[in-house]
Amino acid sequence: ETVLTQSPGTLSLSPGERATLACRASQTVSSNNLAWYQQKPGQAPRLLIYGAFSRPTGIPDRFSGSGSGTDFTLTISRLEPEDFAVYYCQQYGNSPLTFGGGTKVEIK
Amino acid sequence: QVQLHESGPGLVKPSETLSLTCAVSGYSISSGYYWAWIRQPPGKGLEWIGSIDHGGKTYYYPSLKSRVTISVDTSKNQFSLKLSSVTAADTAVYYCARDIPTGYFDNWGRGTLVTVS
Repeated sequence: ETVLTQSPGTLSLSPGERATLACRASQTVSSNNLAWYQQKPGQAPRLLIYGAFSRPTGIPDRFSGSGSGTDFTLTISRLEPEDFAVYYCQQYGNSPLTFGGGTKVEIK
Repeated sequence: QVQLHESGPGLVKPSETLSLTCAVSGYSISSGYYWAWIRQPPGKGLEWIGSIDHGGKTYYYPSLKSRVTISVDTSKNQFSLKLSSVTAADTAVYYCARDIPTGYFDNWGRGTLVTVS
C-alpha cells in the first residue's frame, strides 16, 4: 500500500503567517490523485483540495495545493484564526486508499 | 446539500459485531457516486474501511476485508457497515462519507464513537 508521510508533525505559527505542509508518498501517486482535509476538534474532516491542486466550491483561495509524483504540498498563504487545525493528506491513485498521519497547525 | 448521519450502538462487546447505518439526505444514493466508511481511533489519524456503489459493488481495505461487510439499501437511501469479531483496537469514531468515486470524500457525517469494551 502507499504510505503517506506528513511533515512536520506540528507547525507553530502566528495568524497572518504562511503555512507550508508536506506530504510524501512511498510510491508515485497515480494521476496526482491526492486530496487534503482540514479537521478541527470534535468535527469531521472537511475537503480542502482534490486532484493535488483543485479547490471545491466554497474553499477560500488562501488554500492551495501543489506537487506531483511522490511529493505534495498544501500552502495556506495567510493564516486566519479559524485555520488552526489538523490537516491530512489522502491518496486515491493507488489501491487501497490511504491517509497521512496529519500535521497540526497550532498558534504560536 | 448532501447530509449524512451515522447511527448505531455506542458500545460493543469484544468478539461481537459492530453495526452502523448511515442515512443520506439531499441526494439519492441511486443517482451514483460511491459511499464510504472511515474511522479514527481516539487521538489518532484516519483509516478508510471501505466503499460501496449504488449497485452494491464493494471495495474494502485489505487488512479489514475478512471482517467487514458494507451494504446499501437504496429504498431507504442508506448504507450500512458491519465489522465482526471486534477488539479494543476497533474503538474509534466511525464516519460515513460520499466517495467521489472510490477516491476522495466530499461530504462527511458528524461521526459516531463506538467503544469496544
